[in-house]
Amino acid sequence: NAGVTQTPKFQVLKTGQSMTLQCAQDMNHEYMSWYRQDPGMGLRLIHYSVGAGITDQGEVPNGYNVSRSTTEDFPLRLLSAAPSQTSVYFCASSYSRQGGTDTQYFGPGTRLTVL
Amino acid sequence: GNSVTQMEGPVTLSEEAFLTINCTYTATGYPSLFWYVQYPGEGLQLLLKATKADDKGSNKGFEATYRKETTSFHLEKGSVQVSDSAVYFCALRSYQKVTFGIGTKLQVIP
Repeated sequence: NAGVTQTPKFQVLKTGQSMTLQCAQDMNHEYMSWYRQDPGMGLRLIHYSVGAGITDQGEVPNGYNVSRSTTEDFPLRLLSAAPSQTSVYFCASSYSRQGGTDTQYFGPGTRLTVL
Repeated sequence: GNSVTQMEGPVTLSEEAFLTINCTYTATGYPSLFWYVQYPGEGLQLLLKATKADDKGSNKGFEATYRKETTSFHLEKGSVQVSDSAVYFCALRSYQKVTFGIGTKLQVIP
């Protein structure tokens, strides 16, 4: 199993550009989520999904879109990048849609810089 | 809403010293509690977890006990090694949402 994979590892954008961060998992997990990690703020939940076709907002959803057309993939789209979106982005997955006691498995992260 | 409080650090210890990283939380219901570790340049990985009050999670010499009366989940290790240098995150999970603390950076010097 590859686990949770993310591409790209690094990305530099100009203000106003759009891009998609890719996330895939091969563990047949129902739950997938996106976080951003910023110094002094820990990880903050952007969006999450409890199964194909079902997504919901987290703590900091503005400026980001997601979709879940398959169980395996959960891409994160930045519609019009802003310098405030400079961060490290992590995708995570866990087994069940209820969450509860499930452990989350994290990808290696994407370091995004917006100029 | 739910929240997790932990010190940011850095915490600097000599090898073989005793480690405590405090974690307290506020939550409705009965959350599960986790400690995740992040090594430089990597994603987070589970260190240990506890799913109900009085449970003790343990792994690699680390342990933490779910204390409902004090809403705490403090991480301890009796003798740290240089290889334990990393950032440690306390987290709680209530149904579908996970809330993380800010992370505590641990530096262990030989």
